[in-house]
Amino acid sequence: GAVVSQHPSWVICKSGTSVKIECRSLDFQATTMFWYRQFPKQSLMLMATSNEGSKATYEQGVEKDKFLINHASLTLSTLTVTSAHPEDSSFYICSATGVPYEQYFGPGTRLTVT
Amino acid sequence: GDSVTQMEGPVTLSEEAFLTINCTYTATGYPSLFWYVQYPGEGLQLLLKATKADDKGSNKGFEATYRKETTSFHLEKGSVQVSDSAVYFCALYLFNKFYFGSGTKLNVKP
Repeated sequence: GAVVSQHPSWVICKSGTSVKIECRSLDFQATTMFWYRQFPKQSLMLMATSNEGSKATYEQGVEKDKFLINHASLTLSTLTVTSAHPEDSSFYICSATGVPYEQYFGPGTRLTVT
Repeated sequence: GDSVTQMEGPVTLSEEAFLTINCTYTATGYPSLFWYVQYPGEGLQLLLKATKADDKGSNKGFEATYRKETTSFHLEKGSVQVSDSAVYFCALYLFNKFYFGSGTKLNVKP
């Protein structure tokens, strides 16, 4: 089946710094990529939807200037957490789709901000 | 708004026991319904899906039927195995967005 990778799988950064997370579709072209945030023992919360070559659409309550999303190609989307704070610590998951409602999820990236 | 509610866990069963994880939804349109499974340290994997009322999704011994009259999509398996231990998420897809339930952790003991 289709494979989506994320890098890094785990990152620790200091408060005030920025960190970039990559999401790649390895064997298909993803017209749309989604970024989710998952808190411990909670569900996935959709943060934003990105389409290749256009600006991301952010969900209500998600700061677009803090969570920068770039969908540079049909196989790569990046999420940059700018000026990270401890409350940004979470599990970030991306997914990609080439066909409507056939979403393939990455393994997730655990971000810890100290 | 559109949302999914599923039973809280954890659910602990002995091997070969019958499993039911309840899921109900609220939707402003006609959604597609999904069950995803997340094994420890891994991403979500599609387990099964149903795209219209009365459809039954099935995979690896798991089944769920799309019940429009009760707005439900309960997950069932007749005989669970230790390898089924994971977190299960019910989800609906509508207007190009997924909405996930809070997840139910299943522990199967030998």
